[in-house]
Amino acid sequence: EPEVTQTPSHQVTQMGQEVILRCVPISNHLYFYWYRQILGQKVEFLVSFYNNEISEKSEIFDDQFSVERPDGSNFTLKIRSTKLEDSAMYFCASSLGGRDGTYEQYFGPGTRLTVT
Amino acid sequence: LAKTTQPISMDSYEGQEVNITCSHNNIATNDYITWYQQFPSQGPRFIIQGYKTKVTNEVASLFIPADRKSSTLSLPRVSLSDTAVYYCLVGAPMDSSYKLIFGSGTRLLVRP
Repeated sequence: EPEVTQTPSHQVTQMGQEVILRCVPISNHLYFYWYRQILGQKVEFLVSFYNNEISEKSEIFDDQFSVERPDGSNFTLKIRSTKLEDSAMYFCASSLGGRDGTYEQYFGPGTRLTVT
Repeated sequence: LAKTTQPISMDSYEGQEVNITCSHNNIATNDYITWYQQFPSQGPRFIIQGYKTKVTNEVASLFIPADRKSSTLSLPRVSLSDTAVYYCLVGAPMDSSYKLIFGSGTRLLVRP
């Protein structure tokens, strides 16, 4: 069964450093998402991406965040200058957007980001 | 976006049927009801989605009354591996972004 993959599984970085989280969505999917979950809290929407541009972003997704789909397979989330409060599990998700009839979003296993 | 309300936690035993009810009084005409499951340190996983009446798949059933102001996820004969957090989400998937807005979910504990 096709799946969303994410690398690395765990990233430790120092405050102020840039990090890039990588995702490979399911190959024929059209919609791409990033969510995050701070330990013990809700899953929070960050950004959605369709047709090579951001469709929607949350208040969390400020100027420190950016997304890119540099080629036909990867989808990345960059945090330019990490803060302690960016420590969380980051999930990538992808979807066919209803073409399979369910609008199901397939989530990756997550990248645990620890900012020290 | 319609607000959802579901129990914080539920306990059950192996082999029992579990029903988790979600209230969504302000559901809009275009909104679908979707349930996701999340195990610790894993991404959420889609369980089932419906618009009205009853939907059944190999994992669960979703019951939606005519007024659509609530819905019930039914898990038949749960096992220990069904211990997880279950999220009820309401939204219009036809929107270009269709972001998922997760609440706190229902923490289901299945005991032997």
